[in-house]
Amino acid sequence: AQKITQTQPGMFVQEKEAVTLDCTYDTSDQSYGLFWYKQPSSGEMIFLIYQGSYDEQNATEGRYSLNFQKARKSANLVISASQLGDSAMYFCAQTSYDKVIFGPGTSLSVIP
Amino acid sequence: EAQVTQNPRYLITVTGKKLTVTCSQNMNHEYMSWYRQDPGLGLRQIYYSMNVEVTDKGDVPEGYKVSRKEKRNFPLILESPSPNQTSLYFCASSLSQGAVNEQFFGPGTRLTVL
Repeated sequence: AQKITQTQPGMFVQEKEAVTLDCTYDTSDQSYGLFWYKQPSSGEMIFLIYQGSYDEQNATEGRYSLNFQKARKSANLVISASQLGDSAMYFCAQTSYDKVIFGPGTSLSVIP
Repeated sequence: EAQVTQNPRYLITVTGKKLTVTCSQNMNHEYMSWYRQDPGLGLRQIYYSMNVEVTDKGDVPEGYKVSRKEKRNFPLILESPSPNQTSLYFCASSLSQGAVNEQFFGPGTRLTVL
């Protein structure tokens, strides 16, 4: 069965530092997408970044970048210059033709 | 404003009392999906729909029903709720099925079954 692993239940980072959130996935599909979502304490799910399985370059969106290593089946999220507002839960997700699989999430706390 | 709406936002009910959580999107999206979120487990897909009259089971469909009679609506039905269905529920939609489209999420429905 397809599975997403996020090995860091909780992380701390100093404000203005960079942080990497880990995500590994397990799929036998050739075509798939990888997503990261942010869930602040208010509860809404916010889309951050997308990487397609055939994309050769790593995706970037502002301060967010996705370190995609296809052979290792990893899709780590890098947040540069952390801000206090980055404190939230972060979920990695993988989609194929129909289903969507989420990881258990990483709780990130940014320290002033 | 493009959005996914869910109602109710909060619901406390008792075991066995049928309930429906509504979900509606105004973006003409083909794909819609229901998730439940539990601590430490992330979001788990309950049911999804690739288009009108097309629905399929996700990873945790037991105890739930859905229907997709219109493109914009995708209600979640609990025929006989039990306490283990106490959870935070999200509806989401995306432009089409497949690997490339981000999901747009509703605000969530917090359900408590006593």
